[in-house]
Amino acid sequence: EIVLTQSPGTLSLSPGESATLSCRASQSVSSNYLAWYQQKPGQAPRLLIYGASSRATGIPDRFSGSGSGTDFTLTISRLEPEDFAVYYCQQYANSWTFGQGTKVDIK
Amino acid sequence: EVQLVESGGGLIQPGGSLRLSCAASGLTVSSNYMSWVRQAPGKGLEWVSIIYTAGTTHYADSVKGRFTISRDNSKNTLYLQMNSLRAEDTAVYYCARAISGYYFDSWGQGTLVTVSS
Repeated sequence: EIVLTQSPGTLSLSPGESATLSCRASQSVSSNYLAWYQQKPGQAPRLLIYGASSRATGIPDRFSGSGSGTDFTLTISRLEPEDFAVYYCQQYANSWTFGQGTKVDIK
Repeated sequence: EVQLVESGGGLIQPGGSLRLSCAASGLTVSSNYMSWVRQAPGKGLEWVSIIYTAGTTHYADSVKGRFTISRDNSKNTLYLQMNSLRAEDTAVYYCARAISGYYFDSWGQGTLVTVSS
């Protein structure tokens, strides 16, 4: 099983700042089969990024994904008030597993 | 517009059974890879099961042998039959479409299952 470790656990930032979230895999994620989701309290997750760097339909371009192998990054430039949420990475190269999440909260 | 609506959750005693349903509109369940993902209270996401368009199914080790995923093409509905329920199965259960069996692009609102005596 591929274990995904996200860091940091919590990121405290102000609107307008940039956020950098990390997702590290216990073994290489082939074909960059990695996705990112956003989840707000009481809501279902929303797909942001798939294939490590492709934005899902309707996702603003301030969200970007990068990385390969075992190290992946989600960057949110110019945080908007609606971006404060929990973010999960997920790999689909070998079964399906999620990271434990990074909470982005307002400083 | 794709809409997935889960139902069937509730309070159940340990060892009991429950069947969750996910009614779909805007997509054909049998033509898509469909999955169940759960989230324990205050915890992260955990993949549970998937059914491929050809009918092949896969399960997380934590539910293998106890849970069964299925679909009713005539009702365009996905199911999760859960037997021998344990306290650790307590979670919100989401159904989701898995694009090509990979990542999840459409989610329902979830249904809460509480296993407790």
